[in-house]
Amino acid sequence: GQNIDQPTEMTATEGAIVQINCTYQTSGFNGLFWYQQHAGEAPTFLSYNVLDGLEEKGRFSSFLSRSKGYSYLLLKELQMKDSASYLCAVLDSNYQLIWGAGTKLIIKP
Amino acid sequence: KAGVTQTPRYLIKTRGQQVTLSCSPISGHRSVSWYQQTPGQGLQFLFEYFSETQRNKGNFPGRFSGRQFSNSRSEMNVSTLELGDSALYLCASSPRGQRWDTQYFGPGTRLTVL
Repeated sequence: GQNIDQPTEMTATEGAIVQINCTYQTSGFNGLFWYQQHAGEAPTFLSYNVLDGLEEKGRFSSFLSRSKGYSYLLLKELQMKDSASYLCAVLDSNYQLIWGAGTKLIIKP
Repeated sequence: KAGVTQTPRYLIKTRGQQVTLSCSPISGHRSVSWYQQTPGQGLQFLFEYFSETQRNKGNFPGRFSGRQFSNSRSEMNVSTLELGDSALYLCASSPRGQRWDTQYFGPGTRLTVL
């Protein structure tokens, strides 16, 4: 079956750096997405990786290793507003998005 | 541009009833996808429509159906509701209909089945 694993919950301190991991086993691969979802709100797009390597976008970076079936989202200079769930999703060979259950990130002052 | 809108925002139904949810995509977006979100399970893909045609379907029973109109607005229907259908139903639209497009989500319809 298809499977995407993320930690259920993580806690970090304001101003620090946190890395949220995502491992996947899917039938084929056509890219990996990260979305942010604040409580009670809709998910919003953060990043899309289809090639190996690190993509940086301001305070957020996303890394992909296709051979390891692994990605991470790196958040720097954490702010209280970064408290949210972070969703990893893989586009499989049928171009269907397979979603992880999400990682709830709690930021403490 | 207005975002994706979904109606109603909240719905309470009883087992055995049927329900129709509506989604209006961002103007100009031709692809609409539907997802079910439950705590601990994450988002589960229901189906995707592009130019009024169902292009992809997830592993949900036939009680779940949908359609898309010529103006790209979409509806999903759930018949013979079960308690397990209680969830947040999210609709997402994408601009070009390419499979790797960014998806823009609506606020969702929270369905409670009693």
